[in-house]
Amino acid sequence: ETGVTQTPRHLVMGMTNKKSLKCEQHLGHNAMYWYKQSAKKPLELMFVYSLEERVENNSVPSRFSPECPNSSHLFLHLHTLQPEDSALYLCASSQDHGGNTGELFFGEGSRLTVL
Amino acid sequence: AQSVAQPEDQVNVAEGNPLTVKCTYSVSGNPYLFWYVQYPNRGLQFLLKYITGDNLVKGSYGFEAEFNKSQTSFHLKKPSALVSDSALYFCAVRGAQTGANNLFFGTGTRLTVIP
Repeated sequence: ETGVTQTPRHLVMGMTNKKSLKCEQHLGHNAMYWYKQSAKKPLELMFVYSLEERVENNSVPSRFSPECPNSSHLFLHLHTLQPEDSALYLCASSQDHGGNTGELFFGEGSRLTVL
Repeated sequence: AQSVAQPEDQVNVAEGNPLTVKCTYSVSGNPYLFWYVQYPNRGLQFLLKYITGDNLVKGSYGFEAEFNKSQTSFHLKKPSALVSDSALYFCAVRGAQTGANNLFFGTGTRLTVIP
């Protein structure tokens, strides 16, 4: 298996639930990212990890909690979400977050619906 | 501040005709410019990039883009559109001195190729 894999592809949760999104990359990259994609809005960068250290947190609400146990895996833990958090959550990886040309490899996304 | 503008939400073109998807940018210093494509229910896929050198960049699936520094534009083009090119296209930019975590995306342009 190659590329960036995200699970689950679809998730429906209530506002009081706790769930997690999972991302796994098989490209040997050392940087991983979470993006939020909402209709007719630019992609919003949420978190960046480089060599398993968080290097970016763009003022994301604390109800989103990332975890990067190793360079191949990235999680997004979700709790007490709001309906406006419904979106497509994209995971991406790159060879190096700082010095490279910035080409990102994306997973297929997890479509989240908050009821 | 960095920003990307994709002035058209929707572009329709007949199959076999040339297509253009517009992008203008604002960035400090030299830009790194990218085009990504998103097919339905999929993540973003890298199409092409401009880093330096020849202003005309060729990418995947017969697409090309022209970097125009004076107009701060990076329009995506293809000489002959295919129905399978129908997708959502994103332009992205970052400064040459910044990392991939400073990659700014546009809002996307939906391309529909009419048979």
